[in-house]
Amino acid sequence: SYVLTQPPSVSVAPGQTATFTCGGYNIGLKGVHWYQQRSGQAPVVLIYHDTYRPSGVPDRFSGSTSGDTATLTISRVEAGDEADYYCQVYDNHSDQVVFGGGTQLTVL
Amino acid sequence: EVELVQSGGLVVQPGGSLRLSCVATGFDFDDYTMHWVRVRQAPGKGLEWISLITWDGDSTLYADSVKGRFTVSRDNSRNSVFLQMDAVRSDDTALYFCATDENPYSKSRPEYWGPGSLVTVSP
Repeated sequence: SYVLTQPPSVSVAPGQTATFTCGGYNIGLKGVHWYQQRSGQAPVVLIYHDTYRPSGVPDRFSGSTSGDTATLTISRVEAGDEADYYCQVYDNHSDQVVFGGGTQLTVL
Repeated sequence: EVELVQSGGLVVQPGGSLRLSCVATGFDFDDYTMHWVRVRQAPGKGLEWISLITWDGDSTLYADSVKGRFTVSRDNSRNSVFLQMDAVRSDDTALYFCATDENPYSKSRPEYWGPGSLVTVSP
């Protein structure tokens, strides 16, 4: 089955840039989606289909893909951005939705 | 406005069964694939997709971790989707979310999410 690999944690000071990576074979060909989840709450989509941002999501959030890596970038990080961040694709080969293991953001 | 209302939390014994429900309003329910996703409560556990059912109910898909134990179904006349959970185990303890797919007639990603139903498997 298809696997998405995310680092378990990222730490960044307020005002700095946080970068989240998501690794998967030829992920650039699949269409990657990014979610933010706070404990006990439903996830919220931040980026869909690699680079698109839903209305209401600040432009501090951006996405990109290249080769086997997708990246979510949060610019000008705020304390309220502390949460878990997940990447997700649909794997047509196995016909399954696949989530990465998630990355916990700590704002120092 | 899209709204998904889920059934309340439940406690069930290992090996037991339960059925989660999710009622949808605010969109053409019978045009959309519906997903079930869970997040386990143990530290270090993340989002886990567990099942989907297509808009017409003709196709159902499952994660390997629940295949053969969980069954997804829908009733388009009642704008409802269900997750029947049988032979539950302690590692099924989680917050379970229903969610719509992003577009009609697609299988791509969860878009709108319900608030979650907490399932606790305990003797």
